[in-house]
Amino acid sequence: EAGVAQSPRYKIIEKRQSVAFWCNPISGHATLYWYQQILGQGPKLLIQFQNNGVVDDSQLPKDRFSAERLKGVDSTLKIQPAKLEDSAVYLCASSLTNEQYFGPGTRLTVT
Amino acid sequence: GQQVMQIPQYQHVQEGEDFTTYCNSSTTLSNIQWYKQRPGGHPVFLIQLVKSGEVKKQKRLTFQFGEAKKNSSLHITATQTTDVGTYFCAASGTYKYIFGTGTRLKVLA
Repeated sequence: EAGVAQSPRYKIIEKRQSVAFWCNPISGHATLYWYQQILGQGPKLLIQFQNNGVVDDSQLPKDRFSAERLKGVDSTLKIQPAKLEDSAVYLCASSLTNEQYFGPGTRLTVT
Repeated sequence: GQQVMQIPQYQHVQEGEDFTTYCNSSTTLSNIQWYKQRPGGHPVFLIQLVKSGEVKKQKRLTFQFGEAKKNSSLHITATQTTDVGTYFCAASGTYKYIFGTGTRLKVLA
């Protein structure tokens, strides 16, 4: 069974630039999550999709972050404009029931 | 809002010693999950607990859910170097999971 795929794996940008991350969940998983993990902390949920609908985005900084999940499969997370404090690993996870399967993450460095 | 704290933050043990991490929530939980994250890796699901007072075992790992469903623990018996990593609890009060602060375990050979 193929796991959750994410790209790119690493990204370095300057502050005020924009960046996009892509996630392909495990086939058949209806629920997709985007997490932000700052070094030394636990993952923080940014947004949760059920198929292509948003279940929770209460911790998504909507003035600069956006996410979509077209056709209920792949998802993209965008940051525009980026700030220094956005430097983190962005993890995508998917689930069929409750067990979450995480992708390898995208490490973002904002300089 | 719901808060999830884990203690200790760090733990260094000699190989063969036992290890326990505790997860505490400010609110009653519907269920709790545990994940392990190796250095440089991503979280990997270990187990889910649902019932009050539930105890589950996986080889050397023992997971408990408190009677009040506000706390949980993970105990590792006779640690091995392969147990190195950060252990997170993920608590669900409604429909979303809040990850704890994590306990970083180092095992000295």
